[in-house]
Amino acid sequence: DQQVKQNSPSLSVQEGRISILNCDYTNSMFDYFLWYKKYPAEGPTFLISISSIKDKNEDGRFTVFLNKSAKHLSLHIVPSQPGDSAVYFCAARATGTASKLTFGTGTRLQVTL
Amino acid sequence: DVKVTQSSRYLVKRTGEKVFLECVQDMDHENMFWYRQDPGLGLRLIYFSYDVKMKEKGDIPEGYSVSREKKERFSLILESASTNQTSMYLCASALGYGYTFGSGTRLTVV
Repeated sequence: DQQVKQNSPSLSVQEGRISILNCDYTNSMFDYFLWYKKYPAEGPTFLISISSIKDKNEDGRFTVFLNKSAKHLSLHIVPSQPGDSAVYFCAARATGTASKLTFGTGTRLQVTL
Repeated sequence: DVKVTQSSRYLVKRTGEKVFLECVQDMDHENMFWYRQDPGLGLRLIYFSYDVKMKEKGDIPEGYSVSREKKERFSLILESASTNQTSMYLCASALGYGYTFGSGTRLTVV
């Protein structure tokens, strides 16, 4: 039972354009959401997060949007750069579960020249 | 920076062997986690620990056990390795939501 889903296994975007990665969740107890980025042969690294009391959080080229009614979040990367090519995981925390995160299935982003 | 070190980058083991995957963190974090990463399935939580000698099952604990005798070390044990345990194993240490992952151990069971 996948509580956090990323329905696009892969995405290809041209350098300079916008990358939009999507994530859907089913558990209404999730109150904090994060995006992680993973390069091959490395562990995932934290990218950006958002609390359920907000609908947008921005950090440089990265913006995360949260639509609680739709149980949907998205990560926007503008402009996309070749170094952004990686696998992106969204993750969620349920209220009362401290540090435990539930991760999505991942989306492989390829930024082409 | 927090460093999480996994003892092996690659491992090949035979079916039925007992396998130990070691993870050490250097920042005195209380929370440590073991995940496995499989194509199309993302990261799935196997076990986690909030303190020394404390452990809780994650979403897929079957066939695994863990040990946390010291705060900095969290070991994952495959009691009797099977081919369906071939995977990338990732250890993480956390303070709040700030996860730091190790580089992973790619385990192949033949």
